[in-house]
Amino acid sequence: QLHLQESGPGLVQPSETLSLTCTVSGVSISSTHYYWGWIRQPPGKGLEWIGSMYYSGNTYYKPSLKSRVTISLDTSKNQFSLKVTSVTAADTAVYYCARQRVVPTPSTFDIWGQGTTVAVSS
Amino acid sequence: EVVLTQSPATLSVSPGERATLSCRASQSVSSNLAWYQQKPGQAPRLLIYDASIRATGIPARFSGSGSGTEFTLTISSLQSEDFAVYHCQEYNNWPYTFGQGTKLEIK
Repeated sequence: QLHLQESGPGLVQPSETLSLTCTVSGVSISSTHYYWGWIRQPPGKGLEWIGSMYYSGNTYYKPSLKSRVTISLDTSKNQFSLKVTSVTAADTAVYYCARQRVVPTPSTFDIWGQGTTVAVSS
Repeated sequence: EVVLTQSPATLSVSPGERATLSCRASQSVSSNLAWYQQKPGQAPRLLIYDASIRATGIPARFSGSGSGTEFTLTISSLQSEDFAVYHCQEYNNWPYTFGQGTKLEIK
């Protein structure tokens, strides 16, 4: 069954690095049909796309976050990861991983993980 | 970057009535627009893509329309499970963006 599950620390110290992993089951992240993305939602706010990555390594990031964000794929584990460096309180959010359809260009997010809450605080 | 503006921010409607939600883009996104439903404590769920195509398993009471910069999500005959937050998302050009959401509440 198709399933995405985020994992990682729920609390990160300011100026440190936030690291999350999304474990995918039911579909290979090497599929040519999908990108793999991260989206976050600050408390009480809307959704913010962070970035997406293709099995080939092609990656897109939100420009305002690009200098601090890295997305990577581990095909051997069927996982993909997110790293955000130099975090501040503004990075506090629920973080979602999601599958992004390629039809034939990247489009909608059709399968989402349940989300994981990350708080940035000392 | 395309800015998506959703209106209203909150919409109060009685069960059984029709709800009409709006999403306006700061520049044309063609028909590359999707709608998502999000219930409290849950991840968003894809409802509509390509402005008007229902995703798999989405009831026929959900319909989308529009192109260019003006889009509408209509929910006919609201059911109790439809009260949630609705987000629009464009995928015409990177960086893909979301609207700020419309909360649909029971009147």
